Amino acid sequence: KNQVEQSPQSLIILEGKNCTLQCNYTVSPFSNLRWYKQDTGRGPVSLTIMTFSENTKSNGRYTATLDADTKQSSLHITASQLSDSASYICVVSTLSGGYNKLIFGAGTRLAVHP
Amino acid sequence: SQTIHQWPATLVQPVGSPLSLECTVEGTSNPNLYWYRQAAGRGLQLLFYSVGIGQISSEVPQNLSASRPQDRQFILSSKKLLLSDSGFYLCAWSSFGGRTEAFFGQGTRLTVV
Repeated sequence: KNQVEQSPQSLIILEGKNCTLQCNYTVSPFSNLRWYKQDTGRGPVSLTIMTFSENTKSNGRYTATLDADTKQSSLHITASQLSDSASYICVVSTLSGGYNKLIFGAGTRLAVHP
Repeated sequence: SQTIHQWPATLVQPVGSPLSLECTVEGTSNPNLYWYRQAAGRGLQLLFYSVGIGQISSEVPQNLSASRPQDRQFILSSKKLLLSDSGFYLCAWSSFGGRTEAFFGQGTRLTVV
């Protein structure tokens, strides 16, 4: 069964600190892995997208890693800001019948406190 | 540039009433279109996807239906809402063939009372 599991479920950190979010997946065939940021009551916004051959991708203070052998990914946030408070969703894509089927994790809810 | 519009942003409907949520995409043609639902504290669940006009595939059996009357218009409907239909509904699009990322609308918060 295609599944994406994220940990922790929620996380509280102080402003300026770093944090790492985890994503484990069992999706086949694997197409790509994406990290999205979702503010409360809004649609998800893409942070990074990685294919099978990519190990690391950065977007400003966000750095995503992918280990396709162990089927694990992480999202590292450096020097957190209050605006980083949001849900972070790991999404693994698989191709099915010519369309891009997205398997979503439940998300990690991050709260950054001053 | 491509944009996606979804409305309304919030909706409160009584049990048994009909539902119609609309989603339109601009700046692209022949997109793949998706409807997702997010229950409180849960991940996004794919409800319907469409690869072309009039072509709808359902991922899970439910009280909802979808239609694509035009290339860039995707509608989520229900004849009679249930309490369990409450949730956050998101429309998304991706390029034909689906090999690029998906872009999401701002979502509709539906509360069935």
